[in-house]
Amino acid sequence: GAVVSQHPSRVICKSGTSVKIECRSLDFQATTMFWYRQFPKQSLMLMATSNEGSKATYEQGVEKDKFLINHASLTLSTLTVTSAHPEDSSFYICSASGGYTDTQYFGPGTRLTVL
Amino acid sequence: DAKTTQPNSMESNEEEPVHLPCNHSTISGTDYIHWYRQLPSQGPEYVIHGLTSNVNNRMASLAIAEDRKSSTLILHRATLRDAAVYYCILSPTGGTSYGKLTFGQGTILTVHP
Repeated sequence: GAVVSQHPSRVICKSGTSVKIECRSLDFQATTMFWYRQFPKQSLMLMATSNEGSKATYEQGVEKDKFLINHASLTLSTLTVTSAHPEDSSFYICSASGGYTDTQYFGPGTRLTVL
Repeated sequence: DAKTTQPNSMESNEEEPVHLPCNHSTISGTDYIHWYRQLPSQGPEYVIHGLTSNVNNRMASLAIAEDRKSSTLILHRATLRDAAVYYCILSPTGGTSYGKLTFGQGTILTVHP
C-alpha cells in the first residue's frame, strides 16, 4: 500500500516553455501533498505544501507564479513549471500523506532538463 | 525547527547488522522521529518512525533513547540493496511546520559484499 506515482519520469524541454508534472496517490486519499526539488549532490528542499481544495503554501524563496500547484482531488496534484529556464533543471519529487497517518510517501521523482 | 545530526557516511558488510545513529538534542515533546532512505535517482522511501517507544517493522528497528535526544536505526542484516542515503528527520505535530519534513544531508551507507 501507500503508492505514489509521478508522470512523466523525465522531461526535456526548451527554455521558455511550461512543463506539467503529475503526482498521484494510487491506493489512498492524500489530504496533503508536498513538492520537493533536489539538485545534484544535494538534499531535498521542500517547495510547497498543498491541501486538497486549498491554495498551496509555498516555502520562502519559491516563486508561486513560476511553480503553479493544483491539488484538485484527493488523489492528484500537479506542479507546472512556467517559462522554464536552464536553472530550473532539477529532480522534482512529490509526496503524499493522508488517512490515519501523517507519514509521507514519496513518488519516484521527475527529472526535468531545460535546454 | 529542531535539527538532526548524522554521520556523513558509514560502511557495512553484507549480512551484518548496521546501526545508524542520529542526534536530535533539541527535539520537542511532540516531534516524531522519521527515517527515510533514498537510492540514486529515486524518491525517498519510508523506513520507520516513532515517538517514544522502540519500533520494529519488516524493514528495520528504531531504538529511541529514553531522553529522546538520540535514536538509532538498526538494519538487522544488511544487503546490497540497503546501500542508500539514510535521512533521520524530526516531524512536528503542531504549529506552522506541522507534517513538514526537513531533509538534512543524511548518512551515505555503503554495503560491501
